[in-house]
Amino acid sequence: AQSVTQLDSQVPVFEEAPVELRCNYSSSVSVYLFWYVQYPNQGLQLLLKYLSGSTLVESINGFEAEFNKSQTSFHLRKPSVHISDTAEYFCAVRASNYQLIWGAGTKLIIKP
Amino acid sequence: NAGVTQTPKFQVLKTGQSMTLQCAQDMNHNSMYWYRQDPGMGLRLIYYSASEGTTDKGEVPNGYNVSRLNKREFSLRLESAAPSQTSVYFCASSEGMDSGGQPQHFGDGTRLSIL
Repeated sequence: AQSVTQLDSQVPVFEEAPVELRCNYSSSVSVYLFWYVQYPNQGLQLLLKYLSGSTLVESINGFEAEFNKSQTSFHLRKPSVHISDTAEYFCAVRASNYQLIWGAGTKLIIKP
Repeated sequence: NAGVTQTPKFQVLKTGQSMTLQCAQDMNHNSMYWYRQDPGMGLRLIYYSASEGTTDKGEVPNGYNVSRLNKREFSLRLESAAPSQTSVYFCASSEGMDSGGQPQHFGDGTRLSIL
């Protein structure tokens, strides 16, 4: 069965510092990968996705993620975080039955 | 454009009571989903409806039933609530489960406590 592992349950980082949220997935024939963000007391929103093509994908608010097939990873990065990035971030992979398999989430905590 | 609307937003039940969580989407999506979210466990799929007229079990269906009332609406019913069902419930929709990388759109959740 496919699975997704988010290695850190919480990541504290100072404002304006860089951050990396790690995600590893079990291998599959074809891979669709997603990062979703959940702000406090809200539902999840799509942040970015990898379907095919360029291994580096970007979001409109400065996040990027790189698909690494050999390491089965899809880590999320931002060069400089802002207080407004405080949220929980979820990595997901589309399974062979078309369902999404979700990681447990990583809480990004921005320290002023 | 409301997207996915869930009602109620909060609910407290006693053990053994029943209730129905409502979900409606206005994006003409074919597929709809019910998840529960518990701390440290991410999202777990309860039931889904790939298209109008079909429903299937997800990862954790026990204790729940669903109805795909029409293309817009997908309800989740707890017949006899148990404390283990205390959770935040999310409804989501997507264009289609097999439509490539189309994202799921989520409601704001229902926070359910079972005493």
